[in-house]
Amino acid sequence: ETGVTQTPRHLVMGMTNKKSLKCEQHLGHNAMYWYKQSAKKPLELMFVYSLEERVENNSVPSRFSPECPNSSHLFLHLHTLQPEDSALYLCASSQRDFGGVYNEQFFGPGTRLTVL
Amino acid sequence: DQQVKQNSPSLSVQEGRISILNCDYTNSMFDYFLWYKKYPAEGPTFLISISSIKDKNEDGRFTVFLNKSAKHLSLHIVPSQPGDSAVYFCAAVETTDSWGKLQFGAGTQVVVTP
Repeated sequence: ETGVTQTPRHLVMGMTNKKSLKCEQHLGHNAMYWYKQSAKKPLELMFVYSLEERVENNSVPSRFSPECPNSSHLFLHLHTLQPEDSALYLCASSQRDFGGVYNEQFFGPGTRLTVL
Repeated sequence: DQQVKQNSPSLSVQEGRISILNCDYTNSMFDYFLWYKKYPAEGPTFLISISSIKDKNEDGRFTVFLNKSAKHLSLHIVPSQPGDSAVYFCAAVETTDSWGKLQFGAGTQVVVTP
């Protein structure tokens, strides 16, 4: 496997279900991101993990719970979602630099989530 | 409040002609700008970027122009090819923020017709 992989690629779930999205990066990066892309809207950053720290978008509901067990793996745990949570969820990784250099993010193919 | 805006949701251009995609931003702290390209069923892929210390960056058929005073950037694709049909996202970041939190526009769907 190369780059950033995501599983599953498609997920349909009911509002009472609990499911998890998985992301794995094979690039040796030290930062991983979750984004939400709703139709006709900008990608919305949900969470960033890097070097055992986390930054989150305060507008993300608590029914989304991220987990980052190591620098290569990232999960998004979902529970009691709403139909408006249906969207494309994208994972990305990058090499976080502390010297003012920006390194672009590499994205996975996304998980298309439908909440019934 | 959306800090990066792409006001044209779609663009249709003939093969061989120039495609011009526009992007406006409101945050004067942004100092690095990127364009990503996205095909259906794939994640966005990095296309080209520009630092705020430059006003132009060129890579093959792709050129990005930055007008800091107008808080405006544009992507030129010359000549356009059918494989360029995709959604293009503009993004901006403050490099002083080591977290690298990108702000994206809503995207422009480009269709290149033969």
